[in-house]
Amino acid sequence: NAGVMQNPRHLVRRRGQEARLRCSPMKGHSHVYWYRQLPEEGLKFMVYLQKENIIDESGMPKERFSAEFPKEGPSILRIQQVVRGDSAAYFCASSASNTEAFFGQGTRLTVV
Amino acid sequence: QQQVKQSPQSLIVQKGGIPIINCAYENTAFDYFPWYQQFPGKGPALLIAIRPDVSEKKEGRFTISFNKSAKQFSLHIMDSQPGDSATYFCAASSGSRLTFGEGTQLTVNP
Repeated sequence: NAGVMQNPRHLVRRRGQEARLRCSPMKGHSHVYWYRQLPEEGLKFMVYLQKENIIDESGMPKERFSAEFPKEGPSILRIQQVVRGDSAAYFCASSASNTEAFFGQGTRLTVV
Repeated sequence: QQQVKQSPQSLIVQKGGIPIINCAYENTAFDYFPWYQQFPGKGPALLIAIRPDVSEKKEGRFTISFNKSAKQFSLHIMDSQPGDSATYFCAASSGSRLTFGEGTQLTVNP
């Protein structure tokens, strides 16, 4: 049973470009969470999704950030017009209903 | 109210020592308290978790102690090894999203 798969592992974008981060949850998991980790800091919640629904987006910046989890395919975290402050590691986690969350290896975004 | 405070920020012990990492929370709605281990360049991996109906849980060399009245919980690592050197995060949740502590960087010297 494959774990949570995130790609790409590393992503470099110039300021103003768009970043698209993908997350495939573990088989049988229908809950997906995105977290952001700045260097030397803890993980901060961004958004919680179930298939085709955003359940809690209270941790998402109001502008430039969006997330989706379509009926088919991976969950996508999209950052438009990236700025240097968006440089961080972005982690996806998945769970079945009310069970422990398992994390992917993360996508390390560098904005140059 | 949503914060989880973790200490110490960093910790150095000798092989065989028992590092202890502490966390405190405010939100009494939290009902699930996991600990994660993270190695550089990797994602957090679930180590052990506890719910507030028990005061202690042990899995291998890892033990969580939970004090509901004080709203505190801690991780103890018995017979620590150099391979345990990593960053440890406590977390808390009340259903779905996890609220993480700031992390403790543990170094176990040979």
